[in-house]
Amino acid sequence: QQQVKQSPQSLIVQKGGISIINCAYENTAFDYFPWYQQFPGKGPALLIAIRPDVSEKKEGRFTISFNKSAKQFSLHIMDSQPGDSATYFCAASPEYGNKLVFGAGTILRVKS
Amino acid sequence: ETGVTQSPTHLIKTRGQQVTLRCSSQSGHNTVSWYQQALGQGPQFIFQYYREEENGRGNFPPRFSGLQFPNYSSELNVNALELDDSALYLCASSLLTIETQYFGPGTRLLVL
Repeated sequence: QQQVKQSPQSLIVQKGGISIINCAYENTAFDYFPWYQQFPGKGPALLIAIRPDVSEKKEGRFTISFNKSAKQFSLHIMDSQPGDSATYFCAASPEYGNKLVFGAGTILRVKS
Repeated sequence: ETGVTQSPTHLIKTRGQQVTLRCSSQSGHNTVSWYQQALGQGPQFIFQYYREEENGRGNFPPRFSGLQFPNYSSELNVNALELDDSALYLCASSLLTIETQYFGPGTRLLVL
């Protein structure tokens, strides 16, 4: 059973544009929602994370929007750059634990 | 401060064999989690070790086993390898009470 659904599967954005990736979860016990960036041949690297007590968190060009009632969260990448081209994973973990459940990933390509 | 390291980087085995993968956690981290990432998919949680004890397990059969040592490094052992075990195996370290997990580069296992 897939507990975190991620869309789209792939995304092409022009340089300078906004990249938006969406995730939905089912388990209301999830309490921590990180986003990871993965380049080919590398392990995932933490980008930004949010807890359900806030609706938005911004770090540089990356913003997470969180809708607890809809059980959805999204990643916005502002001013997308070719160096942002990578696979992005949303994830969630339950309260008191950090056993991450990942989405299937979104392959982002930023065209210059 | 050193990051998470894993060895070997690549490994080729045949069906039925056994394999041991190794992980050194980031300095100061006492929790190690292992994930399996099949090609084109998100990582799947295998199990987690905290202070040398298993602290949660995902939906993986008993032929996947692990160890954590007093210095918090860890091993993942897989017996009776199957073709579907071919994947990138990721190790992540963290402090249990802090959710951020830092991933290593992974070990690419190919089972023929």
